[in-house]
Amino acid sequence: DTAVSQTPKYLVTQMGNDKSIKCEQNLGHDTMYWYKQDSKKFLKIMFSYNNKELIINETVPNRFSPKSPDKAHLNLHINSLELGDSAVYFCASSQQLAAQAGEQYFGPGTRLTVT
Amino acid sequence: GESVGLHLPTLSVQEGDNSIINCAYSNSASDYFIWYKQESGKGPQFIIDIRSNMDKRQGQRVTVLLNKTVKHLSLQIAATQPGDSAVYFCAENTGGFKTIFGAGTRLFVKA
Repeated sequence: DTAVSQTPKYLVTQMGNDKSIKCEQNLGHDTMYWYKQDSKKFLKIMFSYNNKELIINETVPNRFSPKSPDKAHLNLHINSLELGDSAVYFCASSQQLAAQAGEQYFGPGTRLTVT
Repeated sequence: GESVGLHLPTLSVQEGDNSIINCAYSNSASDYFIWYKQESGKGPQFIIDIRSNMDKRQGQRVTVLLNKTVKHLSLQIAATQPGDSAVYFCAENTGGFKTIFGAGTRLFVKA
């Protein structure tokens, strides 16, 4: 059983389009994240949600809008896609215990290519 | 600041040898450190972690060492196997919801 799943795995689209990536975790975790990994493998946090509340927004352009309908889901919608948005996007989840971070479980990634 | 290098360092080891992957972190307030392994085409996978009240922690074939004085973290892999070939990331956390990842080190294992 997949712990953290993302769809789609690959996404090819043209500049200016709007697209969404979905993420689901079945681990019962209370915290979910979106990361962007560039071509140099640099992994940077974009958003963090705890119990459906936005906790971290790392100066991401407001073309990116996360949405957490419940604790098990964190979707990412991107408006007006740009070439620089091409990257691999990872969803992750973790369980916070008494304000202490725990290890994160990552999804398989979504490779977004903007042409 | 972020403990990130601009390039992806590479470590090449012979199968059966021990590997040591190093990481420098910059935030002295970080109190939780994690090593992740990322294989090609997959998401990062947790390997081992350590909290700041410890300086060494051992897992199966892996050991993490933490030197808070010089803000240095290392991952030791014993008897490295071909399946250990991957990109390894260190990550630091200051007790909140933000985890900062290092630039990663690519490990090649030669058969």
